Amino acid sequence: QKEVEQNSGPLSVPEGAIASLNCTYSDRGSQSFFWYRQYSGKSPELIMFIYSNGDKEDGRFTAQLNKASQYVSLLIRDSQPSDSATYLCAVIGGDDYKLSFGAGTTVTVRA
Amino acid sequence: GAVVSQHPSRVICKSGTSVKIECRSLDFQATTMFWYRQFPKQSLMLMATSNEGSKATYEQGVEKDKFLINHASLTLSTLTVTSAHPEDSSFYICSAETGSGNTIYFGEGSWLTVV
Repeated sequence: QKEVEQNSGPLSVPEGAIASLNCTYSDRGSQSFFWYRQYSGKSPELIMFIYSNGDKEDGRFTAQLNKASQYVSLLIRDSQPSDSATYLCAVIGGDDYKLSFGAGTTVTVRA
Repeated sequence: GAVVSQHPSRVICKSGTSVKIECRSLDFQATTMFWYRQFPKQSLMLMATSNEGSKATYEQGVEKDKFLINHASLTLSTLTVTSAHPEDSSFYICSAETGSGNTIYFGEGSWLTVV
């Protein structure tokens, strides 16, 4: 049984600040790691994916992966009110294509 | 990026009837698609894995005779909720795996309300 744990929210940050989201996973054989953003009542939207240890940057978003620690994080720099959403960490295990999701962390960016 | 389309986005049906939701990969072939259900303020729950040309694989606790999945082509999977009941009212979301880099994209989701 794969488990994906996210830091409990909600997380409230002021506009312009950095929002830091954390995620740990139990399946050491996991290969692919994703961050999705989900606005209330909408479907998840892919923000980042990362496969290799280290950092991956895309605009204001940076994903960090540490397979040895079974840890993946997402940093949102210069947070904007439009970033207010629930962020889902998802992991694909080593033996199938199934995504295992964390419970999500709700982020609120205060103007 | 890859696009996955779902239809209908919203549907209301009477209790006891069946409703079909379509999931299409618009610009890539998807040998594997997934169906999720999400209740308000809860995380996504995987219902089943849809494999093109073969039977779907259902997660524990999901009734395969109630939630019929057909993946007849590499770009289309359908979920039919049979004999729907009000407790089936939920947000149903499909996703498709692109096959390149194992990236998975979601459809827009379908809100089902059973009255």
